Amino acid sequence: DAGVIQSPRHEVTEMGQEVTLRCKPISGHDYLFWYRQTMMRGLELLIYFNNNVPIDDSGMPEDRFSAKMPNASFSTLKIQPSEPRDSAVYFCASKRGATDTQYFGPGTRLTVL
Amino acid sequence: QQQVKQSPQSLIVQKGGISIINCAYENTAFDYFPWYQQFPGKGPALLIAIRPDVSEKKEGRFTISFNKSAKQFSLHIMDSQPGDSATYFCAAKRGSARQLTFGSGTQLTVLP
Repeated sequence: DAGVIQSPRHEVTEMGQEVTLRCKPISGHDYLFWYRQTMMRGLELLIYFNNNVPIDDSGMPEDRFSAKMPNASFSTLKIQPSEPRDSAVYFCASKRGATDTQYFGPGTRLTVL
Repeated sequence: QQQVKQSPQSLIVQKGGISIINCAYENTAFDYFPWYQQFPGKGPALLIAIRPDVSEKKEGRFTISFNKSAKQFSLHIMDSQPGDSATYFCAAKRGSARQLTFGSGTQLTVLP
């Protein structure tokens, strides 16, 4: 299995621009999680989906952040407009059913200038 | 009550030494306690996990010790190697919840 795939791996953008991060979960996994990692706040859960439906988005920091999962094999996290404080590494993770292990992607390092 | 507090923030150990990372929690509903290992430029990956019905779990050089009454659990890395240098996260999950609550992470450096 290819594992969780994220793109792009690195993104540099200017303040005010729209940023879209992409994730392909492991085939057969029905849960998908978006995390943000920073030195100050560690690993924060932003939102998670079950069977393509958002279940808990309480970690989404602001209305500038939105996430979608149009099908079982694709999810996006969008930031519009982006701000320098959004600079972080964003991880996508997936898991199957009632199992506990989450499988993380390699992350997208976002830098907002 | 959802927090998991992890210490130390960073740890430097000589090759062959024992690395110990500690975590404490408040929510007594937590019933699954994994440790994730993250190498630079990679996503976290499950290393070892424990449930409260046992006090210790060992996998190779890695051991989780669990103290239910103190609401603490720790990761011990025996015979630490430079290849163990990574960031380690403890986490916890309660019952039927699907999400994990992560600690703040410990950056481990094992000197050759």
